[in-house]
Amino acid sequence: QKEVEQDPGPLSVPEGAIVSLNCTYSNSAFQYFMWYRQYSRKGPELLMYTYSSGNKEDGRFTAQVDKSSKYISLFIRDSQPSDSATYLCAMSLIKAAGNKLTFGGGTRVLVKP
Amino acid sequence: NAGVTQTPKFQVLKTGQSMTLQCAQDMNHEYMSWYRQDPGMGLRLIHYSVGAGITDQGEVPNGYNVSRSTTEDFPLRLLSAAPSQTSVYFCASSSAANYGYTFGSGTRLTVV
Repeated sequence: QKEVEQDPGPLSVPEGAIVSLNCTYSNSAFQYFMWYRQYSRKGPELLMYTYSSGNKEDGRFTAQVDKSSKYISLFIRDSQPSDSATYLCAMSLIKAAGNKLTFGGGTRVLVKP
Repeated sequence: NAGVTQTPKFQVLKTGQSMTLQCAQDMNHEYMSWYRQDPGMGLRLIHYSVGAGITDQGEVPNGYNVSRSTTEDFPLRLLSAAPSQTSVYFCASSSAANYGYTFGSGTRLTVV
């Protein structure tokens, strides 16, 4: 079983809809939780970063973490065609040798005009 | 501010050849990592580092070596290239103030 599970999609929504993405994880030692966006043939881009249970909002994006359930979510409001990309959840564990980041497999999102 | 710079962007190697993928960051970040990305496998950690002289293996380290002699540079060496190492390689860096990694634009490697 993978440490971080994420539905691969694809998830297709009409423009203006709310996009809802989620990941589950098994390692309760994870300390930091992130969401990345990756466009085709580009590197991942950090969208949201949090370290505690609860909600964090940044513009149209809301990240939610529930450590007791080992579950994180990302919501994108008023979705735009430019939001079409692969979204990756990631979880960080700080070790003596460095910052060890483990990724989910990514969910492909398509926002249709 | 260039961020994380990876070179080359594309490379074709023959089986058995060796090469070094270069990675440099200009943000004075302590942490650096190398990932490979394959279809259906997601991003998998190869090696990571907290600073000069300190590195550790990730999930898929076999066939790769790293060293970190400066804060800025974290090269990845392929010792004897194999077709299974055909992949897109990403280097990333982060600071202790924000553990979210900044990624480079990647190196697309094909081993024939």
